[in-house]
Amino acid sequence: AQSVAQPEDQVNVAEGNPLTVKCTYSVSGNPYLFWYVQYPNRGLQFLLKYITGDNLVKGSYGFEAEFNKSQTSFHLKKPSALVSDSALYFCAVRDRSGTASKLTFGTGTRLQVTL
Amino acid sequence: DGGITQSPKYLFRKEGQNVTLSCEQNLNHDAMYWYRQDPGQGLRLIYYSQIVNDFQKGDIAEGYSVSREKKESFPLTVTSAQKNPTAFYLCASSHPGRGVSGNTIYFGEGSWLTVV
Repeated sequence: AQSVAQPEDQVNVAEGNPLTVKCTYSVSGNPYLFWYVQYPNRGLQFLLKYITGDNLVKGSYGFEAEFNKSQTSFHLKKPSALVSDSALYFCAVRDRSGTASKLTFGTGTRLQVTL
Repeated sequence: DGGITQSPKYLFRKEGQNVTLSCEQNLNHDAMYWYRQDPGQGLRLIYYSQIVNDFQKGDIAEGYSVSREKKESFPLTVTSAQKNPTAFYLCASSHPGRGVSGNTIYFGEGSWLTVV
């Protein structure tokens, strides 16, 4: 069975500072990994994904994530946070077998960026 | 514009009633999904469908039913057997299949269901 852990319920960052939202995963074999963002009362928006190749993945809105196979982690990062980045962030994983895109989601991390 | 449309945005259900949430997509995706979101629990998969006239149960299918008569549509019925239906429901879609595409799942804007 695959699983995702987001160990922090909330991350607080001052605007202009770098941010990191942590994610670790468990899956059989090599994973597909995803990050999504959710604003209040809205659906999830896709940010970025790791499929293969370069361990540093760049995505939307200046976000990036680093895949670390030995630590089974896929932390989301941004060099300089904006107040508008405040939202709920979800990490998700699926394995490479089968045809169904059954993603398993973490419980989410709320990012609060303050002035 | 291409996308996934969910309706209604807000729905109230009386005890013992069945209600149906609509989901329509014009992305030409073969696979569609329904997720339930509760505070602090992330998203849980209710049902998914990889092709028309076929669907499979997810992790929390009890008390729910779906149909997939058209590629564009994947309605979810919350039956009276679902004892705690108050939640935010998210419909999603993707291209199916294996391979390096990773099959990114795209979401609609969600529907709030409240039991009154």
